[in-house]
Amino acid sequence: EAQVTQNPRYLITVTGKKLTVTCSQNMNHEYMSWYRQDPGLGLRQIYYSMNVEVTDKGDVPEGYKVSRKEKRNFPLILESPSPNQTSLYFCASSRGGSGANVLTFGAGSRLTVL
Amino acid sequence: GQSLEQPSEVTAVEGAIVQINCTYQTSGFYGLSWYQQHDGGAPTFLSYNALDGLEETGRFSSFLSRSDSYGYLLLQELQMKDSASYFCAANTGFQKLVFGTGTRLLVSP
Repeated sequence: EAQVTQNPRYLITVTGKKLTVTCSQNMNHEYMSWYRQDPGLGLRQIYYSMNVEVTDKGDVPEGYKVSRKEKRNFPLILESPSPNQTSLYFCASSRGGSGANVLTFGAGSRLTVL
Repeated sequence: GQSLEQPSEVTAVEGAIVQINCTYQTSGFYGLSWYQQHDGGAPTFLSYNALDGLEETGRFSSFLSRSDSYGYLLLQELQMKDSASYFCAANTGFQKLVFGTGTRLLVSP
């Protein structure tokens, strides 16, 4: 089944404890991206990647890091999480070319930072 | 800044037609997408307009007017399962997407 898989789905952590949210897609998609969703604010893009080793900042990149060492994986790293990073996070992927605007989203990762 | 404005909530009855509007203000613009998200679920792609005009996909249609910086999603023959949040998203270049804050659609019997 074609899908984007995120882990963990739920996580409660404490301020300053580094964490990584993994994202993997099995569709051989070139584009991958991370979003956070907060009530009343919609989805905001954190980082995106056009291909392996090519990443760029979205609208809210502060406090996050990403890497794209393999085409299928695009982990989101919070080096020193803070309470304002408590949110619902979505990873998404899409093909290149004409399919670039058809995003497939993962199921989401709900993160709570205490 | 960049922004997309949508109504926060729309209500309708089963079988009706509803239109969800989206006006955008972005520094670059390559097209407008629409996504549906049920409570507790992930957004799912509905449609994409790169050019002016109407795109039809079954009961859903989407329209774009670049000159007016405006688009809408039209849902026909509403069903209870259409109750969800709907987001417009502008592609501002190189996979940079800016989403609207979403419109919650409530369909009643």
